[in-house]
Amino acid sequence: KAGVTQTPRYLIKTRGQQVTLSCSPISGHRSVSWYQQTPGQGLQFLFEYFSETQRNKGNFPGRFSGRQFSNSRSEMNVSTLELGDSALYLCASSLALWAGVSTGELFFGEGSRLTVL
Amino acid sequence: DAKTTQPTSMDCAEGRAANLPCNHSTISGNEYVYWYRQIHSQGPQYIIHGLKNNETNEMASLIITEDRKSSTLILPHATLRDTAVYYCIVRVGGDYKLSFGAGTTVTVRA
Repeated sequence: KAGVTQTPRYLIKTRGQQVTLSCSPISGHRSVSWYQQTPGQGLQFLFEYFSETQRNKGNFPGRFSGRQFSNSRSEMNVSTLELGDSALYLCASSLALWAGVSTGELFFGEGSRLTVL
Repeated sequence: DAKTTQPTSMDCAEGRAANLPCNHSTISGNEYVYWYRQIHSQGPQYIIHGLKNNETNEMASLIITEDRKSSTLILPHATLRDTAVYYCIVRVGGDYKLSFGAGTTVTVRA
């Protein structure tokens, strides 16, 4: 069974540019979550999508956005990049059964490492 | 989600058991205890989870105290490949907004 696939794995952008990252979840998984990991802040939750709807959102500015397609694949976009956006962006997928009914562990991809110059 | 407290780091000899403690004194009755680990530059990897009872799988064992205020992850025979940051997380089932914390950096030495 293929794991969570994230593309691109590495990318370099300059301040002010925008970037789009892609995530293909494990087949059959309907929930996709995004996390940002930096040395200073650790792993921080960005947002979670289920059935093309954003169900939960972390404390990030509006420059960070995402979407999910009907095939459960997800993209996240960061506009007007800042130096502080340099990070490893991780995507995780899960079966996402109803809250309280299933524990539904998360399966993470290898991440997209973004460097902003 | 309830907060967790873990030691910053610990060393373990290869082949010995590694016992990783986690305190979660404010855990709610419907919150599970999850363990993930992250090997350098890779995405976090699910290890094990539990609610009340002790759990065991091919990777590890999870011991949860009766009052559920703390737990211990046991790696029965640590190998060099177990060197990683280990995260203890508590969350309600179906909640995907995980709070990872700083975790415990485990170094397995030959």
